[in-house]
Formats: sequence, C-alpha cells, structure tokens
Amino acid sequence: DQQVKQNSPSLSVQEGRISILNCDYTNSMFDYFLWYKKYPAEGPTFLISISSIKDKNEDGRFTVFLNKSAKHLSLHIVPSQPGDSAVYFCAGQGGSEKLVFGKGTKLTVNP
Amino acid sequence: NAGVTQTPKFQVLKTGQSMTLQCAQDMNHNSMYWYRQDPGMGLRLIYYSASEGTTDKGEVPNGYNVSRLNKREFSLRLESAAPSQTSVYFCASSWGQGRGPGNTIYFGEGSWLTVV
Repeated sequence: DQQVKQNSPSLSVQEGRISILNCDYTNSMFDYFLWYKKYPAEGPTFLISISSIKDKNEDGRFTVFLNKSAKHLSLHIVPSQPGDSAVYFCAGQGGSEKLVFGKGTKLTVNP
Repeated sequence: NAGVTQTPKFQVLKTGQSMTLQCAQDMNHNSMYWYRQDPGMGLRLIYYSASEGTTDKGEVPNGYNVSRLNKREFSLRLESAAPSQTSVYFCASSWGQGRGPGNTIYFGEGSWLTVV
C-alpha cells in the first residue's frame, strides 16, 4: 500500500519556466509534509515543508501547496534553473508513522 | 561541518558474506536512521534509533541488524548478504522523532552496495 504517490517519474521544463511537481497521499493521519531534493551520488537534502494547518508555504523560488481535502500537495519552482535538475521526493508524516517517502520525480531543467 | 558521515562509499560483496556499514553524525542528534533506495522506489526505512540505547524496526528490516554504539554512531550489519540487498544505503539523523522543522532528517551521502 503506497501511502505517498508521485505519479510522474520524470518532468522536463525550460529554464525560466515554472516546474510543478505533484504528490498524493492516502494516509489521513499525515499532518506534516516535506520535499527533499537529491542530486546523483549525493544524499537527499531537505528543501521545504508544510504543516497541515497551512495550505501554502513559500521559501524563495520554492512554494509548496497543500490541498487536504484532495490529499494532494505540489511543489512549485519559479523560475526553474538548470541547477534545480535533480530527483525530488515528497514525504509525509503523522500519527505514529515514521516519515514515508514517495518514489521520486526526476526534474530536468533545460537551458 | 561533516554532518552525517557513512563508510564505505562503495562495496561489492559475494552472496553469503557479511559486512557492516558505519555511520556517524556530529550534530548531537538523538535519532538516527538507516534507509535503502532502490531504482524506481522511494527511500524505505530499514531500522531507526529514537535515542541512544534504543533501536526499532522500520519498513524493511529483514536481513539486517543494527547497533547504536553511542549517541554519534549507528551501524548497519548484513549478516549473510543476498543479491536482493543490492542497493544504495543512506544513514540519517534528526534531533527528535516529532514533526516540525526542529526535527528535520539529515542524510549522509550514501553507500553503494552490490551483492553478486
């Protein structure tokens, strides 16, 4: 049972445009969500998080939106830069659950 | 500022061999974790240690053992390696187990393990 789903394995966008990465979750107990970014041959690094008491959290070029009724969150990157090319993991946590990760979406930003 | 350091970075094992992955963190974190990442899969939790002296199973613990040697160090042992354990292993740490920015999980750079 996949509790966190990232249905798009890959996404390609042009430099300067918006990147939108999507994530769905099934566990109603999840009340905290994170995005991690991973470059090849490196460990994941924390990018941004959001609590279920909010529907938006912004940090520079990165904004995460949470739609609790749809059990959906998205990460917006504006404007996208070639250095943003990486695998992005969505993760959820809540109740007695440890952090649960999605399978990741590989973002490629083309110059 | 090392953060989370894990060794070795690369290892090739024969089926049935044993080995230990070492991990140390210098952030004075209480909680430590071992994850594995396989192609097309997310990060899956193998074992974790909420605090020094405690360890608990995660999502995929079979075939592994762990030791929380002290507050800094958390090792992962494969007693009899199998090809299904070919993976990238990540050690991680956090201040605590709770939710929120204060308990963000920080990862090491990974250990690539191949079992032939």
